[in-house]
Amino acid sequence: EDKVVQSPLSLVVHEGDTVTLNCSYEVTNFRSLLWYKQEKKAPTFLFMLTSSGIEKKSGRLSSILDRKELSSILNITATQTGDSAIYLCAVLYSGNTPLVFGKGTRLSVIA
Amino acid sequence: DTAVSQTPKYLVTQMGNDKSIKCEQNLGHDTMYWYKQDSKKFLKIMFSYNNKELIINETVPNRFSPKSPDKAHLNLHINSLELGDSAVYFCASSPIAGNTGELFFGEGSRLTVL
Repeated sequence: EDKVVQSPLSLVVHEGDTVTLNCSYEVTNFRSLLWYKQEKKAPTFLFMLTSSGIEKKSGRLSSILDRKELSSILNITATQTGDSAIYLCAVLYSGNTPLVFGKGTRLSVIA
Repeated sequence: DTAVSQTPKYLVTQMGNDKSIKCEQNLGHDTMYWYKQDSKKFLKIMFSYNNKELIINETVPNRFSPKSPDKAHLNLHINSLELGDSAVYFCASSPIAGNTGELFFGEGSRLTVL
């Protein structure tokens, strides 16, 4: 049973479209939720969310956490081909446990 | 000045061989990790080390053994390689175990077992 579930698993959109990626998680000992972007090599950090309803924003990307619904969304507006990547959601639980990753959403943006 | 560096980046070897992947971080972080990413891009924790102590050891085969000579290094040794070990192995570090959650990743080591 997966602790962190992402949807959709893959997505193909055209440049200029807006996309919403979803992540849901198990609540027990939840501490924070993180989003990463992985292109060809290592995942790179995008956002860390701990409080409900507070939007984090970076350029065309934004993310928000809903602790009541045990979920988070990552929005990308006016997508570009450079946004093509795997977007990984990860959850930090209390204690000495490392990040638990979801299986990722593979986003392909076509011109 | 790569923050987390891994070597080698690519490794092709035969079944049954023993191999090691090295990792070094120059961020002064206290905790280092090894993650395995399979062909479906699923990142799964293998080990984490905090101040040279193993604090998490997921259910990986005992053919895999992490070795940490000091706080800045965490090497991964694999005995008797199997086909299913083919994957990309990522080293990562974080400031304090379970504190911020943010991980700093190396570029990965792609292991192919023939």
